[in-house]
Amino acid sequence: EDKVVQSPLSLVVHEGDTVTLNCSYEVTNFRSLLWYKQEKKAPTFLFMLTSSGIEKKSGRLSSILDKKELFSILNITATQTGDSAVYLCAAMDSNYQLIWGAGTKLIIKP
Amino acid sequence: DVKVTQSSRYLVKRTGEKVFLECVQDMDHENMFWYRQDPGLGLRLIYFSYDVKMKEKGDIPEGYSVSREKKERFSLILESASTNQTSMYLCASSLPGQGAPYFGPGTRLTVT
Repeated sequence: EDKVVQSPLSLVVHEGDTVTLNCSYEVTNFRSLLWYKQEKKAPTFLFMLTSSGIEKKSGRLSSILDKKELFSILNITATQTGDSAVYLCAAMDSNYQLIWGAGTKLIIKP
Repeated sequence: DVKVTQSSRYLVKRTGEKVFLECVQDMDHENMFWYRQDPGLGLRLIYFSYDVKMKEKGDIPEGYSVSREKKERFSLILESASTNQTSMYLCASSLPGQGAPYFGPGTRLTVT
């Protein structure tokens, strides 16, 4: 059965710290991996990763995919309180179906 | 700016009631999805639709039905609400193929 596992489930850090969130997957016919940020409401799209080893970057956030070891990481540098959220990752299969992880709840303390 | 809207942010219903959750998108997306989100379980797909009048069961369709009469609107129906359907319901839409879904703000449904 296809599955996506995120770790840690929750994380508390201080403002200014760097964090790394993990997403591992076991998906038959894997196509791509997506990251979303969810604050109090709708998940908002961050990245889609299809190729291994190519980093995607947006401001202080970056992400990379390792298709050999079947995982992705999301890095956030110089964290701010506005980064507090649940971060979701999802693996897309060849039928464009998404398999979601349970999310990592990130809390940034001032 | 892309937009997915849901009819209610919060809803409280009684056991046995019929519940309608509405979702509208203005992006002319073919694909629309209904998920429920529960703590520790992530997003679970209830139903999706690739076109008008077309629907496919997701992972947890039991107790739910859907309707897509127009491209922009996808409705989720709880025929007879039960307490185990208390959850956050998220609607999403996407382009065909490898399009990342855009999500609505969610409806937090409580069934008492």
